[in-house]
Amino acid sequence: GQQVQQSPASLVLQEGENAELQCNFSTSLNSMQWFYQRPGGSLVSLFYNPSGTKHSGRLTSTTVIKERRSSLHISSSQTTDSGTYLCALELDSNYQLIWGSGTKLIIKP
Amino acid sequence: NAGVIQTPRHKVTGKGQEATLWCEPISGHSAVFWYRQTIVQGLEFLTYFRNQAPIDDSGMPKERFSAQMPNQSHSTLKIQSTQPQDSAVYLCASSLTGNTLYFGAGTRLSVL
Repeated sequence: GQQVQQSPASLVLQEGENAELQCNFSTSLNSMQWFYQRPGGSLVSLFYNPSGTKHSGRLTSTTVIKERRSSLHISSSQTTDSGTYLCALELDSNYQLIWGSGTKLIIKP
Repeated sequence: NAGVIQTPRHKVTGKGQEATLWCEPISGHSAVFWYRQTIVQGLEFLTYFRNQAPIDDSGMPKERFSAQMPNQSHSTLKIQSTQPQDSAVYLCASSLTGNTLYFGAGTRLSVL
């Protein structure tokens, strides 16, 4: 079965609203990584988060290993946050990344 | 630090021609990955090098794809006899082992 499930598949918000993206995983992990991709652009690393909570500006990543989930929170969203957000599970003692299917985020002005 | 550099940014080939894609990883990074991204399939793992040695090429279509890393400053992905289904964005990424993955801007390959 699918080892990483990302939700929602798409999300449309008004500028200023908060966004909550989720990844649930079914296997043990070494770490969870979150990436951002603008249409036609490359992947930009947002967080490398093995466990706990990390902050970067308006972004917050929380990984709870025993609950097998990781979330990405965007506060006070801006139109420039629009794009696709991908989570990637780094397996235990393994270089392989298992990718989520992505959340397409659209922030309307 | 210029990040991961991929060249060319765009490549157009005719069916049956060869395509060579180049990647310069971030200096000091020991791990180099090649991925392919399409709208339909999403991100697909192709191959992985660690300290220049090929570790896993399980994602590579065996007959026509090959990857090399002759030195620590560059890796190449070669596709022989390109087919329309090879059209995709090919992404190279590097990292220190067990750390954040940094992606290049990608090479968009179009096979006519």
